[in-house]
Order: sequence, then C-alpha cells, then structure tokens
Amino acid sequence: EAGVTQSPTHLIKTRGQQATLRCSPISGHTSVYWYQQALGLGLQFLLWYDEGEERNRGNFPPRFSGRQFPNYSSELNVNALELEDSALYLCASTQWENNEQFFGPGTRLTVL
Amino acid sequence: SQQGEEDPQALSIQEGENATMNCSYKTSINNLQWYRQNSGRGLVHLILIRSNEREKHSGRLRVTLDTSKKSSSLLITASRAADTASYFCATSGTASKLTFGTGTRLQVTL
Repeated sequence: EAGVTQSPTHLIKTRGQQATLRCSPISGHTSVYWYQQALGLGLQFLLWYDEGEERNRGNFPPRFSGRQFPNYSSELNVNALELEDSALYLCASTQWENNEQFFGPGTRLTVL
Repeated sequence: SQQGEEDPQALSIQEGENATMNCSYKTSINNLQWYRQNSGRGLVHLILIRSNEREKHSGRLRVTLDTSKKSSSLLITASRAADTASYFCATSGTASKLTFGTGTRLQVTL
C-alpha cells in the first residue's frame, strides 16, 4: 500500500512570492492534515481537510490556505512568503475512525 | 503551542541497551501516538495508545499511558544504531488535530 506522498521535496522561493505544496493521502483516507515544523518552534498544526471541507485551522495567518480535491489530495498555498515561513511542511492522512495519522516525507520550503 | 514536554531532550546510549523516553501533556486526550523522525524527514508512525489503555507493545516498543498523571513513556528495548532519531509524542483530543511534544533526540552508538 502506497503511503502519503508530497511534492515537491524541496522548494526555494523569495520573500513575497507564493508557494504551492501538494499532498496525496493513503488510498481510502479522506482526511488530510498539514503541519509546519520550523526550527525552534516544533511541530505546529496548520490545517485539517475532510471530505473537501476545511474543518479546523491552527494559529496561522490567512495567507496560509489550502484546499482538498474530490480525490482527497490536498494543496497548501502560502502567499506573500516571509523568511520565517522557511520550514518543513508535513502532510498526514487518516481514516478518521481513530485519528491514527500517517505522514508523508515532507516538503522543505526555504524562503530567501 | 506544544501540548507538553518530553524528557529527556537528548539521550545517548550504546547499542543493546534500552532507551526510555517520557512525555507529559496538559489536557484530556482520546489517544496518544508516538512517532520517529530521522534527520528532519517525515514522521514514521510507531504506535497509538487509546486513553482507556494502559500499556501497548509493538515489537521492541513498549508504550505506557497514565491518564491520571497525564504522562506516557516509550521504551525501546535492545536498541540498534538504526534507532538513532528524534522521537515525538502527539496527543489527539476532540479537535482531531495532533498536538506534539518537544521531542527526544536519541543517539545509539556502536
């Protein structure tokens, strides 16, 4: 069974640009979560999508947004990039029954 | 914000020894999950323990949960060099999101 996949692996942008990160969940999983792991800040919850709807968001500004497609894959968009957005962005999926979350390899975003 | 703390922050042991990591959390939970992370890569799911369970085993892993003390421990027996990684606990409550601890960096030397 294929795991959670994320693309791209690495992304380098400059301040003010926009970044788009993609995630494909495990087959059969309908919920997708996004987390940010920034140096010194630990793993922080960003967004939760289930059945195409945004269900919850963490304490992040509105320039962090995303969506979930009919095939349950998801996109995270970060607008007006700032230097402190540099981090590893992790996507996880779950079947929801017990919220056992399985993570992808992450996208490392570097903002110059 | 982090749910709680993990202890120790770093642990260095020799191959074959046991490694114990502790996690404390602050609020009521539905379950607690342990993850491993190698060198800033993705998180590998190790084990999930429900709030009504006290102990769970998976291979060389043993997890305990004490909801009265809001704490959990992860024991890795007969450690190997390949166990070198950071280990995180994560709690799940009613909001569904995972709230992570600060992590323990484990170094297993030959």
